[in-house]
Order: sequence, then structure tokens, then C-alpha cells
Amino acid sequence: AQSVTQPDIHITVSEGASLELRCNYSYGATPYLFWYVQSPGQGLQLLLKYFSGDTLVQGIKGFEAEFKRSQSSFNLRKPSVHWSDAAEYFCAVGAWSGGYQKVTFGIGTKLQVIP
Amino acid sequence: DAGVIQSPRHEVTEMGQEVTLRCKPISGHDYLFWYRQTMMRGLELLIYFNNNVPIDDSGMPEDRFSAKMPNASFSTLKIQPSEPRDSAVYFCASTTSSEGYTEAFFGQGTRLTVV
Repeated sequence: AQSVTQPDIHITVSEGASLELRCNYSYGATPYLFWYVQSPGQGLQLLLKYFSGDTLVQGIKGFEAEFKRSQSSFNLRKPSVHWSDAAEYFCAVGAWSGGYQKVTFGIGTKLQVIP
Repeated sequence: DAGVIQSPRHEVTEMGQEVTLRCKPISGHDYLFWYRQTMMRGLELLIYFNNNVPIDDSGMPEDRFSAKMPNASFSTLKIQPSEPRDSAVYFCASTTSSEGYTEAFFGQGTRLTVV
């Protein structure tokens, strides 16, 4: 069964600083990987996804993530954080399980942005 | 498409009462997921359907929880009787397998408070 680990529950960065959110997954084959963002009181919105091909994927709102098979990681990055990026970020892994799709989410990382 | 639609957005009920949460997936999607989000446990997959058939309900916490999908455009999650520890945000999500693996699209969630 697949699993996702987000080691940082809470991160605080200054506005304008760079950001990296960590994500490690466990899955026996090539996974489908996602990053979602959740603003307070809202549902989850897809930031980006990796299915195959180029291991550096670009997403919305200036985010990018890099798939590193050797490290089983899919870290999310942004060069310069804006106050509006304060939200909770979820890494997820999708896989075919018993012939069906199944998505497992990490615990989430809450991002606080300070002026 | 209007996206995944959940109702109600907020529900406050007394312990012991029956609660029914509703979800309308995106038209044409053949997978539907129910998740529960709490501070302590993050986002947990409760159950998912494929073509209206329940595939994996191993995440349903107790027999008090039940879910149905009578047709491709409607699903319910029922809790009977409800307990204060069921207080959480419940999300419905849908996706399609028609183009291989794709991301899940989330509704806005139902915030359930059991007093």
C-alpha cells in the first residue's frame, strides 16, 4: 500500500523568502504524485501533478516540484513566497490498487507567512 | 461544470441524531471519494466508489457510518447515531479514469459539529 510522509507539520517563512515543503512517499512502482493547497474554510485545490516525463513540474501560483525517484521525494518549492500563500499544503500519492485508483494524502504542512 | 457540489456546507446536530451529507460529483467522473479531515488525523479516506459501486470502505470508522451512491450523480454519507467525536470536515471528491490517471477534484466540504 502507498503512503505519504510530510515531516513538517508547520513552517513559518518571511514574505519574499524561498520555500521548500518536503514530501516522501512509499510505493512499489512509479507513483502519481500531487500537491494540493487548502486555504482556510476551502476545499483542496490542485497545485501541480507528476505522472511521467520531466521530473521538474511547474504548477499554478509560481510553484514547482521535483520528483526524485532515488530519494522517493516530491518536494514543493517556490522562489519567493507571498502573504497569500499562507495555507495548508498536502502531498498525495495515487496508485492503481486492485485495478482501481486510490489516492493517499499526507498529514499536511501548514504554512505561515510573516511580513 | 460547476465542480463537485456538497451540501450542506455546515451542519450542527445533537448527539444521537442522524446526519446525512450529500455530494454531486462532476458529470462524467466515474470515481467518487469521501474523506474526513480533523486536526488530529489529517485527511482520511473513508470510502470510495467506482461506477457507483463501493470499492474500499476500510476507512469507515464504525458501523455508524454508511455511504451510498444510487446513481452516477449523487452520493450520501450517513452517520447514525452521531457522536461529538464525529465533528470534522467531510470532503467529497471525484475523478475519471477515462484518460488514464487524473487528479481528484474536491468539493468545498461539509463542516459537521455534533454537540
